[in-house]
Amino acid sequence: ETGVTQSPTHLIKTRGQQVTLRCSSQSGHNTVSWYQQALGQGPQFIFQYYREEENGRGNFPPRFSGLQFPNYSSELNVNALELDDSALYLCASSPRGQTLAKNIQYFGAGTRLSVL
Amino acid sequence: AQSVTQPDIHITVSEGASLELRCNYSYGATPYLFWYVQSPGQGLQLLLKYFSGDTLVQGIKGFEAEFKRSQSSFNLRKPSVHWSDAAEYFCAVGDLTGGGNKLTFGTGTQLKVEL
Repeated sequence: ETGVTQSPTHLIKTRGQQVTLRCSSQSGHNTVSWYQQALGQGPQFIFQYYREEENGRGNFPPRFSGLQFPNYSSELNVNALELDDSALYLCASSPRGQTLAKNIQYFGAGTRLSVL
Repeated sequence: AQSVTQPDIHITVSEGASLELRCNYSYGATPYLFWYVQSPGQGLQLLLKYFSGDTLVQGIKGFEAEFKRSQSSFNLRKPSVHWSDAAEYFCAVGDLTGGGNKLTFGTGTQLKVEL
C-alpha cells in the first residue's frame, strides 16, 4: 500500500502571495490532518478534514484554509503569506475507527515552505 | 489546555549505551500517548502508542515506553542505542477538544549518537 505523499517537496514564495500544498492519503484512510512545524518546534495542529468537511481546527487564522476531495486527498491553502509562515507543513492521514482518539495518524514527509 | 513537555532539547549518548527520553503531559482525561521519530527530510514515524492496559508498551526498533499516571510521564527507553537512532523524537498526546482528534506535540528531543 502507498503511504502519505505530499507535493511539492520544497517551495519558495514571497510575502503576500498565496500557496497551495497537496496531500494524498494512505490507501483506506478517510481523515486528513495538517500540521505546521516551525524550525526547532514540534508540529502544531492546523485542522482536520473528514468526509470533505473541516472537523476540528487549531489556533490558526482564517487565511489558512483547506479542502478534502472525494478520493480523500487534501489541499492546504495559505493566503497573504507572512514571513512567519515559513515552516515544514506536514499532512497526516488516518482511518476512522469507533474510538476517535485511537485513530493512528500516519505522516507524509512534508512540504518545506520558505517565505521571503 | 493539553500540553506535552520534553525537558531535554538535546541528548548525546554513545553507541551501545542505554537511552531514556523524558516526556510529561498535562491532560484532563485518560491520555492517549504516542512517541514519533523524525529523521532529516522525513516525516514522522510512529514508534509506539499507549491507550490503556499494560503500562509498559513495546514499539518498533527496540524502543519501549512506560506510562506512569502518578507522574504524568511517558518516558521512552532503549537498552542499547544504534548509530541509526540519531534523529528527533517527539512525544504527543491525542486530544479530542475542539473536534476531531488532533495530536498535541512536545518540542522534541534531538538525539545524537557518538560512535
